Amino acid sequence: DQQVKQNSPSLSVQEGRISILNCDYTNSMFDYFLWYKKYPAEGPTFLISISSIKDKNEDGRFTVFLNKSAKHLSLHIVPSQPGDSAVYFCAATPTSGTYKYIFGTGTRLKVLA
Amino acid sequence: IAGITQAPTSQILAAGRRMTLRCTQDMRHNAMYWYRQDLGLGLRLIHYSNTAGTTGKGEVPDGYSVSRANTDDFPLTLASAVPSQTSVYFCASSQGLLNKQFFGPGTRLTVL
Repeated sequence: DQQVKQNSPSLSVQEGRISILNCDYTNSMFDYFLWYKKYPAEGPTFLISISSIKDKNEDGRFTVFLNKSAKHLSLHIVPSQPGDSAVYFCAATPTSGTYKYIFGTGTRLKVLA
Repeated sequence: IAGITQAPTSQILAAGRRMTLRCTQDMRHNAMYWYRQDLGLGLRLIHYSNTAGTTGKGEVPDGYSVSRANTDDFPLTLASAVPSQTSVYFCASSQGLLNKQFFGPGTRLTVL
């Protein structure tokens, strides 16, 4: 049973436009969420995180929104750049000290120049 | 060394052989993790360690073992490799639970 779901395997966006990547989770114990970006043949790198006490966190061109009632989070990239083309993973964990991050299956973003 | 290193970069292994994937970090992070990445399945946690001397099971621990004798090293051992263990393996570390994980470059393992 997939506790963290990224239902869109891929997304194509024109350069300069907004990219919206979605993530849904089923476990109500999850209260800390992260997004990672992964280029081919490299390890994932951290992008942005959000705690359940907030509904929005912003870092430059990247904003993460959290809707706890819908168990849904989204990553907005504005404006999108060709260098943003990568696979994006969302991850979730409960803050109860288990150290068990659960990752989604990833969304491949392609930003078209 | 800067960050996390993994060795080997890639390996082709005969089924039934024993294999240890190495992971070393120089950031003095207390927590370390092993994930496998498979197409369509994302990253799945194999084992983790909260601190030196302790380990825990992740989502897919069967067929794998780990040890954490010190802060820096977290080797992953496949006692008797099977073809279903063909995957890309990533090691990661973090300072505490609510902190970002730093990932190594990965080890591509093929079991024939």
